[in-house]
Order: sequence, then structure tokens, then C-alpha cells
Amino acid sequence: GQNIDQPTEMTATEGAIVQINCTYQTSGFNGLFWYQQHAGEAPTFLSYNVLDGLEEKGRFSSFLSRSKGYSYLLLKELQMKDSASYLCAVRDRSGGATNKLIFGTGTLLAVQP
Amino acid sequence: DAMVIQNPRYQVTQFGKPVTLSCSQTLNHNVMYWYQQKSSQAPKLLFHYYDKDFNNEADTPDNFQSRRPNTSFCFLDIRSPGLGDAAMYLCATSRDGRGGRNEQFFGPGTRLTVL
Repeated sequence: GQNIDQPTEMTATEGAIVQINCTYQTSGFNGLFWYQQHAGEAPTFLSYNVLDGLEEKGRFSSFLSRSKGYSYLLLKELQMKDSASYLCAVRDRSGGATNKLIFGTGTLLAVQP
Repeated sequence: DAMVIQNPRYQVTQFGKPVTLSCSQTLNHNVMYWYQQKSSQAPKLLFHYYDKDFNNEADTPDNFQSRRPNTSFCFLDIRSPGLGDAAMYLCATSRDGRGGRNEQFFGPGTRLTVL
């Protein structure tokens, strides 16, 4: 079956570093995405991993280990505006010609002063 | 700016009264998706179009239908909304769905209230 797990909530302090973990089980893995979603708004794309290793993009980095079914999103120099839900999503090629995204329920991050 | 547009942003309908949500895109992407997202839950894929090919998820209720008259527009029709259909409806597009980065671009969503 398909399953994605991530913590429900996290709290961190402005200026600090936070790591949001995601574990997944899928039969046809074809890439992992992280999205940011502010309350009442649409998800926006943050990062993409398909090979093992770390992808860095400014204050945001994302890591993937396919053998462990594991990814994390690392946010550095936290700002208040980073308070949002972070969605881990796996693309599954078993969905046919068009790969589908399977989303986790998201991790609600609260950044405190 | 190229973008995904959803109208209306907020829609109120009555129990059982048909409602149509619209989505348009200026990205010229091949794939368009409709998701339902309830509070504190993951977006749930309802269906998607690859060009004109319609793909329905197995667990999408028959109450939900979709139309894509051309590349730019896609509609979600809810034939007889129930209270359980109150949610945020997200439209998304991707250039292709089969590999590479091909991230999905989301519209701002339509929040549906059913009275």
C-alpha cells in the first residue's frame, strides 16, 4: 500500500534550525516533493528529490534516502513567516501514464519569537 | 505572470443544489488536477486530465464530475452537494506528469460552504 508519515506539529524559535521528517511506503517511487502551505492558501512548491542525497536551496534543504523510505526538510535561520504547514508528497508511477502525487497530512510548524 | 486561477474564491451553496467551480491556467500545461482538502487533512486527488484524457480516482464519488473543454480551462461540477462536501477545492497543473521535476502548480483554491 501507500503511506506517508510526518509529525503533526512542531514548534521552533525564530533564527533557529528545524528538521521536518517524512517516511513513506510506496510501490512505484518516482520522486518526493515538499510543499509549503499557509493557512487558507494553496500549497507552493519548495523542493524535489529523486536521487539520494541533499538538495540545497537558500534557507531550505531537502534530503532523500530511497532505501530507507525517508526524507527530511531542513529550514535554517527561521523567520516568523515560515509558520505554515509543510506537506511531504510522493510521486507514484503505479498511477499509470500520469504519475500521481500522494500527500502526507502535513506538519504544522509554529515559529515563536 | 503565468498562473493558475480559480473562481470563485469562496462559494456558498445549499444542500443538494448543483455547483460548478472553475479553474484556468496560462501556463499551457498538459495536466490539470482537482484536489479536495478538508481542514488539517492532506489534499485528496479527485481526478486529473492529461490533455483530453480523463482519469478518475477509484474512490471519487459519482457526485463529482469534471470537464476540460480546452487546454486552459477545467471545471469541477458537484451535482448534489452534501454537508460532507464542504472543503477547499484546489486546482493544480503540471507540464507533464511522467517524470522529471514537473512540479504541480496550485491555484489559490475555492472554499465551498454547504448550508
